[in-house]
Amino acid sequence: DVKVTQSSRYLVKRTGEKVFLECVQDMDHENMFWYRQDPGLGLRLIYFSYDVKMKEKGDIPEGYSVSREKKERFSLILESASTNQTSMYLCASSLEKQFFGPGTRLTVL
Amino acid sequence: QKEVEQDPGPLSVPEGAIVSLNCTYSNSAFQYFMWYRQYSRKGPELLMYTYSSGNKEDGRFTAQVDKSSKYISLFIRDSQPSDSATYLCAMSFAGGTSYGKLTFGQGTILTVHP
Repeated sequence: DVKVTQSSRYLVKRTGEKVFLECVQDMDHENMFWYRQDPGLGLRLIYFSYDVKMKEKGDIPEGYSVSREKKERFSLILESASTNQTSMYLCASSLEKQFFGPGTRLTVL
Repeated sequence: QKEVEQDPGPLSVPEGAIVSLNCTYSNSAFQYFMWYRQYSRKGPELLMYTYSSGNKEDGRFTAQVDKSSKYISLFIRDSQPSDSATYLCAMSFAGGTSYGKLTFGQGTILTVHP
């Protein structure tokens, strides 16, 4: 079975802090994705990566950056966290089918 | 108009009922169709994956795709309380620079009560 793990299940940060969310997959997948999920808005794609060091903006990249130094690891960075970035963050990886991690519920105070 | 429309519900049914969940889409270029199940505070779990019109069955679940009508459905037979979750439809384009990006519906919240 594909395993996608995320570094934290719950995270509480202060406004202005730099936040790192880590995601690791164990199936040698080329593609990795970061989404956020909010009530009434569904899943929205923040960034995705189709190869090491390659990244592309999704639908809502503002306020976020990403890093993919190794194939199995894809990091989401909030340079200066704001309260409107309080959300559920989901990482996924795919070759053909897309598999999700358990999510990180981030609260920014 | 959203590319993928899904009735958010909520949908409440008694145990044993047949459940029908539906999505419509506007872009005829979508080629792959998925249903995910998401329990509260968990990540989405892939339930069904299809790439052609017709039906695909897996246990109590049947996925149906009608490309001519741009309509997909998920049927759950003999529904159980453990089926209570949010169900998300998703779809993607074929190959090329799509990189498997998915477009999701809003999700339908289903409750199956004993």
